Amino acid sequence: GAVVSQHPSWVICKSGTSVKIECRSLDFQATTMFWYRQFPKQSLMLMATSNEGSKATYEQGVEKDKFLINHASLTLSTLTVTSAHPEDSSFYICSAMPSREGRETQYFGPGTRLLVL
Amino acid sequence: GESVGLHLPTLSVQEGDNSIINCAYSNSASDYFIWYKQESGKGPQFIIDIRSNMDKRQGQRVTVLLNKTVKHLSLQIAATQPGDSAVYFCAEKPGGYQKVTFGTGTKLQVIP
Repeated sequence: GAVVSQHPSWVICKSGTSVKIECRSLDFQATTMFWYRQFPKQSLMLMATSNEGSKATYEQGVEKDKFLINHASLTLSTLTVTSAHPEDSSFYICSAMPSREGRETQYFGPGTRLLVL
Repeated sequence: GESVGLHLPTLSVQEGDNSIINCAYSNSASDYFIWYKQESGKGPQFIIDIRSNMDKRQGQRVTVLLNKTVKHLSLQIAATQPGDSAVYFCAEKPGGYQKVTFGTGTKLQVIP
């Protein structure tokens, strides 16, 4: 149980284009999902908290107009990197927190590697 | 805070030996702690967690120790196996908040 998927697993795009990454909780409902970014040999940095049916909460320094988050259902959150540039190349990882009361553990997706040329 | 190191601390352990990975956390208000394992190119995988009202918790081949006095967390892996080779992250969560903060990570290399 507690499986989270991401799609695509990797993507290469041209500078200036937009890329959408999907995060799905496959066998549980998640009111809250999180989006992280990870550069090589570094830790995970939280970008934003995605809440179903409401606006995402962005961490300081993360541009909300550049990283659009939509959490339209209890099993799906999407991250759109708009007007991507080479410096946006990174490993993007989502996590989902089960909606059941008392659960605090986040379950992570396999990550999406983005390369912007 | 942001991790600034480009070189992860590395722990090399002989296969079959026990491993101890340490983590110093920063927030005194944190009341929930988690250890994650991340293999190359994959997302983090939950290993074990512990709440601040405990100082020790055991799982299968793993033990987490929590010392709130010095804000220190450790992960012990018994009889380390090649499949344990990965980067290990500790994470902390303050009470009343949903988001967790990840530590810088330690790379575990198991020598066959």
